[in-house]
Amino acid sequence: AVQLVESGGGLVQPKESLKISCAASGFTFSNAAMYWVRQAPGKGLEWVARIRTKPNNYATYYADSVKGRFTISRDDSKSMVYLQMDNLKTEDTAMYYCTAAGDFDYWGQGVMVTVSS
Amino acid sequence: DVVMTQTPPSLSVAIGQSVSISCKSSQSLVYSDGKTYLHWLLQSSGRSPKRLIYQVSNLDSGVPDRFSGTGSQKDFTLKISRVEAKDLGVYYCAQTTHFPYTFGAGTKLELK
Repeated sequence: AVQLVESGGGLVQPKESLKISCAASGFTFSNAAMYWVRQAPGKGLEWVARIRTKPNNYATYYADSVKGRFTISRDDSKSMVYLQMDNLKTEDTAMYYCTAAGDFDYWGQGVMVTVSS
Repeated sequence: DVVMTQTPPSLSVAIGQSVSISCKSSQSLVYSDGKTYLHWLLQSSGRSPKRLIYQVSNLDSGVPDRFSGTGSQKDFTLKISRVEAKDLGVYYCAQTTHFPYTFGAGTKLELK
């Protein structure tokens, strides 16, 4: 069965950095585009970042709200995807979900990131 | 960005009733390959979202055929026949045709 397990969330202060991770299993990770989607408390879903596969040069894409501050990366040898979040703002407070494949096929359980002073 | 407008924002339903949720996009969701990348997700209380239907009308594995998706271009509908208690939660439409990918604001399905 497909599993996506996020980790690394927590409480940070504004302008600080945090790196969250997602461990994938149950599918051919290297063949799948990977995404991060977030959900602020009581709000809807917002796509954050995308990373494509090696044949597509690991191309990355970001929502305007995080461009220049967040970096998505992947390690195919470990079936891991990461989100490095720098210069965090209070409005980045959200549950962050790792999702796999092109059409939001699979979702992890999420990891909470809280940005507060 | 493509705006996804979902209606109604909430629905109160009795077990066994049928309901429909509308999702309208600000642009056509037909991709250059001829496919339409409009999907439906369910987020049950306290859980992560789960995809139910992909590319307008294809049910994911394990999704009962009480669920059906229809539509084209910019106008889509999710229908749930004979609602069961486990169907309750927030339904989202999502498009992966255009970047950035976008979601509807959600429709909360509650018990009457």
